Amino acid sequence: AQSVTQLDSHVSVSEGTPVLLRCNYSSSYSPSLFWYVQHPNKGLQLLLKYTSAATLVKGINGFEAEFKKSETSFHLTKPSAHMSDAAEYFCVVSDLGMNTGFQKLVFGTGTRLLVSP
Amino acid sequence: DAGVTQSPTHLIKTRGQQVTLRCSPKSGHDTVSWYQQALGQGPQFIFQYYEEEERQRGNFPDRFSGHQFPNYSSELNVNALLLGDSALYLCASSLAQTGELFFGEGSRLTVL
Repeated sequence: AQSVTQLDSHVSVSEGTPVLLRCNYSSSYSPSLFWYVQHPNKGLQLLLKYTSAATLVKGINGFEAEFKKSETSFHLTKPSAHMSDAAEYFCVVSDLGMNTGFQKLVFGTGTRLLVSP
Repeated sequence: DAGVTQSPTHLIKTRGQQVTLRCSPKSGHDTVSWYQQALGQGPQFIFQYYEEEERQRGNFPDRFSGHQFPNYSSELNVNALLLGDSALYLCASSLAQTGELFFGEGSRLTVL
């Protein structure tokens, strides 16, 4: 079964400093990986996705992630944090049903990003 | 173009009651998935509907059931509510089996 592990439950940064949110995945086949963001009392918004094209994926709001097969990692980065980046971030892997052909998303436990002035 | 809309946004029930949550998919989408997000956790897949049939189901008891209508909208029903059913219930829609998922803002259920 597909799974992801988010290595930090909370990450604190100062505004203007780099952001690194770590994620490792486990997959029996070439995975599709995603990062979603959830602001308080809001739904989930897709930041970026990897689907076996370029290993460095650029997303919205200046975020990017690098797929590293040798390390089974898909870490999310941003060069300079903004106050509005404070939110919950989820690393997600797509699990394609072998018999159904339908995909479901398997979420990590989330990393709360705190940004201080 | 309206995105995924869910109703109600908040509701409170007591143990043993039944609840129905509703979801209208994004225009043009034909597949609806439901996820449960307990407090402090990541969302967990409940089930997925396509062509009015349940196509895939996560590890949830039969108390959780659903329906998809001809206009692609969907309902999630939970019977015999338990305290542990308190959560944010998220609906996501997509085009066909493997299209990108778009999420609604969720229905927050509190069971007392």
